[in-house]
Amino acid sequence: DVKVTQSSRYLVKRTGEKVFLECVQDMDHENMFWYRQDPGLGLRLIYFSYDVKMKEKGDIPEGYSVSREKKERFSLILESASTNQTSMYLCASRKYNEQFFGPGTRLTVL
Amino acid sequence: QQQVKQSPQSLIVQKGGISIINCAYENTAFDYFPWYQQFPGKGPALLIAIRPDVSEKKEGRFTISFNKSAKQFSLHIMDSQPGDSATYFCAASLNQGGKLIFGQGTELSVKP
Repeated sequence: DVKVTQSSRYLVKRTGEKVFLECVQDMDHENMFWYRQDPGLGLRLIYFSYDVKMKEKGDIPEGYSVSREKKERFSLILESASTNQTSMYLCASRKYNEQFFGPGTRLTVL
Repeated sequence: QQQVKQSPQSLIVQKGGISIINCAYENTAFDYFPWYQQFPGKGPALLIAIRPDVSEKKEGRFTISFNKSAKQFSLHIMDSQPGDSATYFCAASLNQGGKLIFGQGTELSVKP
């Protein structure tokens, strides 16, 4: 069974803080993704990575950066959190056509 | 042109009824159309998918109907059950599943 884990289920941070969201997959997948999920907007792609140390911007990369130093780990970084980054963040890894999602991190920025 | 539009936003169906969720796209280069199912507190999981060279795909009670000329595809859930209550996302991609473009989501509630 593919397993994608995210470091926190719930996170509360203050405006201006640097926030790290961690994602780990255990199936040796090369491709990994970060999305944010907001009601009425679906899932929107923030960044993705096709391999270690490779990253590409998705549709809404502003305010975010990523790091992929090891194949199994893909980190999302909010350099200076803002209230409009309050959202559910989902990580996924991909094998062939299927994306496997983690349970999500609900981030609240106060 | 990269958007996928999904409707309705929410749907209430009686147990045993048929649930229908619709999606429309603009980019004719899309070549892979999956549906994902998400239960509360969980990440989305692949439910069923279709390629544009077929008009219908059925897996158990779940069917995708695909209309290439209209650039539309839909999910039909036959004999809907309370356990089907979840949020459903359609999606589309180029290059068979590389980068997915998701629809807005439909929250389905099946009443007993």
